Amino acid sequence: EVQLVESGGGLVQPGGSLRLSCAASGFTFSDYWMHWVRQAPGKGLVWISRINTDESSTSYVDSVKGRYTISRDNARNTLYLQMNSLRAEDAAVYYCARGNSNYHILTGYYHYMDVWGKGTTVTVSS
Amino acid sequence: DIQMTQSPSTLSASVGDRVIITCRASQSISSWLAWYQQKPGKAPKLLIYKASTLESGVPSRFSGGGSGTEFTLSISSLQPDDVATYYCQRYNSHPYTFGRGTKLEIK
Repeated sequence: EVQLVESGGGLVQPGGSLRLSCAASGFTFSDYWMHWVRQAPGKGLVWISRINTDESSTSYVDSVKGRYTISRDNARNTLYLQMNSLRAEDAAVYYCARGNSNYHILTGYYHYMDVWGKGTTVTVSS
Repeated sequence: DIQMTQSPSTLSASVGDRVIITCRASQSISSWLAWYQQKPGKAPKLLIYKASTLESGVPSRFSGGGSGTEFTLSISSLQPDDVATYYCQRYNSHPYTFGRGTKLEIK
């Protein structure tokens, strides 16, 4: 069964750090781009970051650039999100998601999210 | 950045009704659009990708259409299990923006 399981969430003080993990199973992890998406309480989904298969390319939403770092360990089938300088507005459920791809002959690959974990909750409060 | 505008934000319909949700992009995104369903307290679930391709296992009453800047998600005959919030998302370039969601309720 294809599965993603997030962990590492919890309560952290403003300005603190947290590292989230996402354990993948049931598929060849190293073949897929991976994403992080968050959802603040009662709010919509916000794409946060993505990483390609060999870590040579990453991308972030502006609100977390310079504070968050996405990484992966293909040998351990695990995706990470290092979150530093946390703010109250970073409090959310954080989901990891697998990026599957469409290919266009002229413009290359485009990645949508076809498998999602259940999420881990991050609370930022003093 | 390209913005995604969904409408309506809330929709109430009866079992058996045809339901249509609209998503508009502020610039053309070709067909690089996905639709997700999220039930309360659950993770999102992929319904449709590339604007109109139904994900495996998703009931055929769901369909997607459109290209460029105008897209639709249709449910041909609303079922009680379809109560959820629906999100569109563009994936043509970073950041992969989601719409604000449409909350679908049963009358």
